[in-house]
Amino acid sequence: DVKVTQSSRYLVKRTGEKVFLECVQDMDHENMFWYRQDPGLGLRLIYFSYDVKMKEKGDIPEGYSVSREKKERFSLILESASTNQTSMYLCASSAGQVPDTQYFGPGTRLTVL
Amino acid sequence: GQNIDQPTEMTATEGAIVQINCTYQTSGFNGLFWYQQHAGEAPTFLSYNVLDGLEEKGRFSSFLSRSKGYSYLLLKELQMKDSASYLCAPSGGSYIPTFGRGTSLIVHP
Repeated sequence: DVKVTQSSRYLVKRTGEKVFLECVQDMDHENMFWYRQDPGLGLRLIYFSYDVKMKEKGDIPEGYSVSREKKERFSLILESASTNQTSMYLCASSAGQVPDTQYFGPGTRLTVL
Repeated sequence: GQNIDQPTEMTATEGAIVQINCTYQTSGFNGLFWYQQHAGEAPTFLSYNVLDGLEEKGRFSSFLSRSKGYSYLLLKELQMKDSASYLCAPSGGSYIPTFGRGTSLIVHP
């Protein structure tokens, strides 16, 4: 079974702090994704990566950056957290085949005070 | 761009059949996913349609009409554990799905 893990289940940070969210997958998947999920807005893609050291902007990249130094690990960085970044963050990975089924981690609920 | 429309909420009775509709407008459409998400959990893959027609998988079936930009998820013999959010996710030229806002299904006894 594909396993996608995220570093924290719950996280509370203060406005202006730098925040790192880590995601690790164990299936040697090519693609990795970061989403945020908010009530009434659904899942929105922040960034994704097709390969090590490669990154592409999704639909809402503003205020975020990412890092993929190793194939199995994809990090989401909030350079200066703001209250409107309070959300559920979901990481996913996929093999890059068709259909490109995504496997999701359990999510990190981030609260920015 | 993508425009996805699905009902916000539906209710149904245990043992019944429910159909969750989804319409979409997707550039370079190449397939449509359905995911299930229980409250507080991650989405999990249910089905993928690329050709027109019905794909059956146990109690769940998914239908696609590419010309109409329309899909539905059919759940038969509803069980309480089917209470969840169902996400319609068409994929376009990049093969990355765009997720709809989801339909919250409540199954009651």
